[in-house]
Amino acid sequence: KNEVEQSPQNLTAQEGEFITINCSYSVGISALHWLQQHPGGGIVSLFMLSSGKKKHGRLIATINIQEKHSSLHITASHPRDSAVYICAVIGDSNYQLIWGAGTKLIIKP
Amino acid sequence: DTAVSQTPKYLVTQMGNDKSIKCEQNLGHDTMYWYKQDSKKFLKIMFSYNNKELIINETVPNRFSPKSPDKAHLNLHINSLELGDSAVYFCASSKGQGRVGKLFFGSGTQLSVL
Repeated sequence: KNEVEQSPQNLTAQEGEFITINCSYSVGISALHWLQQHPGGGIVSLFMLSSGKKKHGRLIATINIQEKHSSLHITASHPRDSAVYICAVIGDSNYQLIWGAGTKLIIKP
Repeated sequence: DTAVSQTPKYLVTQMGNDKSIKCEQNLGHDTMYWYKQDSKKFLKIMFSYNNKELIINETVPNRFSPKSPDKAHLNLHINSLELGDSAVYFCASSKGQGRVGKLFFGSGTQLSVL
């Protein structure tokens, strides 16, 4: 079992739909990152969470420390949101970054 | 403008050679990192510099030497390359140290040692 599990692995939706990507982890963490990777490989950090909820534009990220679970939501999705979304945790004993397998999101016009 | 840029994107070289990977960030961040992505897709920290000073030096062969000429640059030099060095290497930066700041990554350098 991987230490960071994401679901779904692939998601195709129509423009305007509400999107949810889930992440569960099994290790103690000091922080959780949601990252976005576009074709061509560039990686952008969307959120860093250690508790609660954060919102940036149409993106919302939540984390439940007790349940070891985080979700990334996209409201009013747009084709430019198409990318791979990666959940990554930083262990609470070192700086190692453990990545989930990623969720490939395609938003159709 | 690219926030964290690393070059080259692909590097193919022979065993025994010496090579460098460059990283630059234009975000004004204080801390930069080098990570190595292993076969399980984990990113393992190699080095971290804060304001040009080495703050993390994990157990990596001393053939790997980071150099930070200023806080916007952190280059990785590898001597006497070995087959096992083949991997994707990611540079990253953050404001403050990684536990409290968002990480911004470069697009990775795929190193292939033949």
